[in-house]
Amino acid sequence: GNSVTQMEGPVTLSEEAFLTINCTYTATGYPSLFWYVQYPGEGLQLLLKATKADDKGSNKGFEATYRKETTSFHLEKGSVQVSDSAVYFCALREDTGRRALTFGSGTRLQVQP
Amino acid sequence: DTAVSQTPKYLVTQMGNDKSIKCEQNLGHDTMYWYKQDSKKFLKIMFSYNNKELIINETVPNRFSPKSPDKAHLNLHINSLELGDSAVYFCASSQDWASGGYRTQYFGPGTRLLVL
Repeated sequence: GNSVTQMEGPVTLSEEAFLTINCTYTATGYPSLFWYVQYPGEGLQLLLKATKADDKGSNKGFEATYRKETTSFHLEKGSVQVSDSAVYFCALREDTGRRALTFGSGTRLQVQP
Repeated sequence: DTAVSQTPKYLVTQMGNDKSIKCEQNLGHDTMYWYKQDSKKFLKIMFSYNNKELIINETVPNRFSPKSPDKAHLNLHINSLELGDSAVYFCASSQDWASGGYRTQYFGPGTRLLVL
């Protein structure tokens, strides 16, 4: 079956540091890949997505590239802010079949001033 | 203007009670979902409906019963609540399920259920 593996958190960074959150996946077909963000006490918001190999998703300074050869979709940001503190979820969605999202376990990011 | 709304936002109840959570989307989407987020933040699909038809039914106790009166609504009814049902339940919707997996799912704000 499908699965998503994320690096364990929490990740603690100082403001303006570089961020990488690793995400790898296992899928039987050709999934679309997503990063969702959950701010404290809130629901999930789509951060970015990529629907095919070599696509790069980007939003709010975050970016991730769909790497089919390494089955990865790592999230990066060049300079984090305190307001980026949240839980980040990597997810995939099958192109056929159930088409439900399969989520990773989430990575908590804490950015200190 | 809320795209996907859920009620109630918080629900505190006693073991053994029956409760319902409602979800509505005004995006014109044809597919709706229920996800459960446990205390460790892990999210897992429970159910999905496409045009009022059940298309995903994961290994969920049959105390949980989804109902979709129309394609804009997907409610979740839980019978005989147990301590382990305490979690955050998220509703989501997406457009055009048949077209493939690239469509974005939009999530509601969540319902925080606490069973005492």
